Amino acid sequence: EAGVAQSPRYKIIEKRQSVAFWCNPISGHATLYWYQQILGQGPKLLIQFQNNGVVDDSQLPKDRFSAERLKGVDSTLKIQPAKLEDSAVYLCASSDRRYNEQFFGPGTRLTVL
Amino acid sequence: AQRVTQPEKLLSVFKGAPVELKCNYSYSGSPELFWYVQYSRQRLQLLLRHISRESIKGFTADLNKGETSFHLKKPFAQEEDSAMYYCALGSGYALNFGKGTSLLVTP
Repeated sequence: EAGVAQSPRYKIIEKRQSVAFWCNPISGHATLYWYQQILGQGPKLLIQFQNNGVVDDSQLPKDRFSAERLKGVDSTLKIQPAKLEDSAVYLCASSDRRYNEQFFGPGTRLTVL
Repeated sequence: AQRVTQPEKLLSVFKGAPVELKCNYSYSGSPELFWYVQYSRQRLQLLLRHISRESIKGFTADLNKGETSFHLKKPFAQEEDSAMYYCALGSGYALNFGKGTSLLVTP
């Protein structure tokens, strides 16, 4: 089966600019996750969708980050405006059921200058 | 508070030697624990989960509720085991990852 797709793979922006990331989960997977992985740390959950509804966004900095999952399939994560500390790899993952295996995408490496 | 601790950032062993990657957790409920692995230039992927009680690529992990640990073990390390290993705690629907341990197996 095709894996989780993400784009772009790399992005370099200046602080205060905006950026958006796209994720296409594995077909049929109802649950979609966005993680932020800062260098030297494990992935940190930003937001979790079940179909097109938000299950958990408690760690999403809502003053600058937003995410949506239209029609319960693809998802976009946006940062506006970006800060230096947002430099990280942004990972998208999907799974078909709670506690089932999460399948990860290749990630988007964001550098904020 | 839910927390996953992996005390070693880097673990270096010789090929054929036993390896143990430590993971301790704090969680008030009944934990769901996982090990994820990321090989060089590959995606993060599930290695094993405690409810399966299975051995994957020679690795095993036993949940010890008394010591709140879920250490990953392999009796004879191979060079292809070199990777980044993350312990993760499932709570609700989310996974809480540790900071990871980089395993280097040298010939």
